[in-house]
Amino acid sequence: KAGVTQTPRYLIKTRGQQVTLSCSPISGHRSVSWYQQTPGQGLQFLFEYFSETQRNKGNFPGRFSGRQFSNSRSEMNVSTLELGDSALYLCASSPDSGMGDTQYFGPGTRLTVL
Amino acid sequence: AQSVTQLGSHVSVSEGALVLLRCNYSSSVPPYLFWYVQYPNQGLQLLLKYTSAATLVKGINGFEAEFKKSETSFHLTKPSAHMSDAAEYFCAVSPTGRRALTFGSGTRLQVQP
Repeated sequence: KAGVTQTPRYLIKTRGQQVTLSCSPISGHRSVSWYQQTPGQGLQFLFEYFSETQRNKGNFPGRFSGRQFSNSRSEMNVSTLELGDSALYLCASSPDSGMGDTQYFGPGTRLTVL
Repeated sequence: AQSVTQLGSHVSVSEGALVLLRCNYSSSVPPYLFWYVQYPNQGLQLLLKYTSAATLVKGINGFEAEFKKSETSFHLTKPSAHMSDAAEYFCAVSPTGRRALTFGSGTRLQVQP
C-alpha cells in the first residue's frame, strides 16, 4: 500500500496570506489527524477528522481549520498567516480499528512564512 | 491531561553501545504509549507501541521498550547502536478514546563511530 502523501512538500508564503495543505491517507484509513512541529513548541495536535467530521480538536486559534472529503482525503487551511506559523505540518492516518490505533505519518509540508 | 516527559534532549553513544532513551508518562489510567523515530526531513515512523497486551514490547530495527507501571516509565532500549540509528526519537501517549497523540519534546540520538 502507498503511504500517506502530503502536498506540497515545501511552501513559502508571506504574512497575512492564507494557505491550504493537502493530505491523502493510506487506502482504507478513515481517520486523518494533523500536527504542527516547531523547534520551540515541538509536536502539537491540531485536529482529527473521521467520516468528514471533526472528531477532536487541539488548542489552536480559529485561523487553523480543516476538512475531510468523502474519499478520506483531508485539507487544512491557515488564514491570515503569522511568522509563528512557520512549521512542519504533519498529517497522519489510522484505520480507526479501535483504541491504541497506530497513526501513520506522511513526510510533512514545510511552511515558511516571511 | 496526560503527558510524557523525555529526559535528555541529546544522547550520544558509541557504535555498538547500549542505547537507552527515557520516557515517563503521567496518567491516571493505563495509557497507550508509542515510540516514533524521525530522520532528517522526514515524517515520523512508528518503532513500537504499548497497548497493555505485554509489558515488554519489541519493535522494529532491534528496539524494545518496557512498560513499568510502578515507575510510570516506558524507556526505549537497543542493545547495540548502529550509525543508522542517529535520528530524533519521540515518546507519545494517546489519551484513552482519542486519537490525539501528546508527544514528548524528543531526544536526538547521536552515534559516534
